[in-house]
Amino acid sequence: KAGVTQTPRYLIKTRGQQVTLSCSPISGHRSVSWYQQTPGQGLQFLFEYFSETQRNKGNFPGRFSGRQFSNSRSEMNVSTLELGDSALYLCASSLRGTSGDTQYFGPGTRLTVL
Amino acid sequence: QKEVEQDPGPLSVPEGAIVSLNCTYSNSAFQYFMWYRQYSRKGPELLMYTYSSGNKEDGRFTAQVDKSSKYISLFIRDSQPSDSATYLCATTGANSKLTFGKGITLSVRP
Repeated sequence: KAGVTQTPRYLIKTRGQQVTLSCSPISGHRSVSWYQQTPGQGLQFLFEYFSETQRNKGNFPGRFSGRQFSNSRSEMNVSTLELGDSALYLCASSLRGTSGDTQYFGPGTRLTVL
Repeated sequence: QKEVEQDPGPLSVPEGAIVSLNCTYSNSAFQYFMWYRQYSRKGPELLMYTYSSGNKEDGRFTAQVDKSSKYISLFIRDSQPSDSATYLCATTGANSKLTFGKGITLSVRP
């Protein structure tokens, strides 16, 4: 079974631009979560989607948004990019997104904001 | 205080050593405890998964959870150079949101 895939793998943007990252979960998985990983803060939860609905949200500004499609694929969008948004963005999928459900991570998209 | 605190690194050990990695957490609602391993330029991969208190062994790896002291440990026996990676403890409570420690980078010297 194919793992979680994320595109693109690397991205360079300038301040003020916006960016869209894509995630394809493992086949059959209906929950997709997004995390931001930085050297200073580590891995932080952004949001989780299940059946096209945002079910949980972390403490990030409204510039960070996402959506999920009927085939469970998910996108996240960051508008008005800031230098501090430079990070590895990781997507994780699980069957139902319930407590204790095993989450499988993709390789991440490394975003650099100049 | 962060919800999950992990021993800072980096950690360097000789091949064959026993490695002990530790985390503490503050939220009593956390019930599921995981260790993820992350190689450079890769996403985290699940290494060990434990529900509530107790020990779990898988080959050279043993995960321990002590809910009374809110302590999570991972032991690696007979460490190998291929174990060199960043190790992240993580936990969840009432929902699927994973709360991570900051991670510790382990280097196993041949």
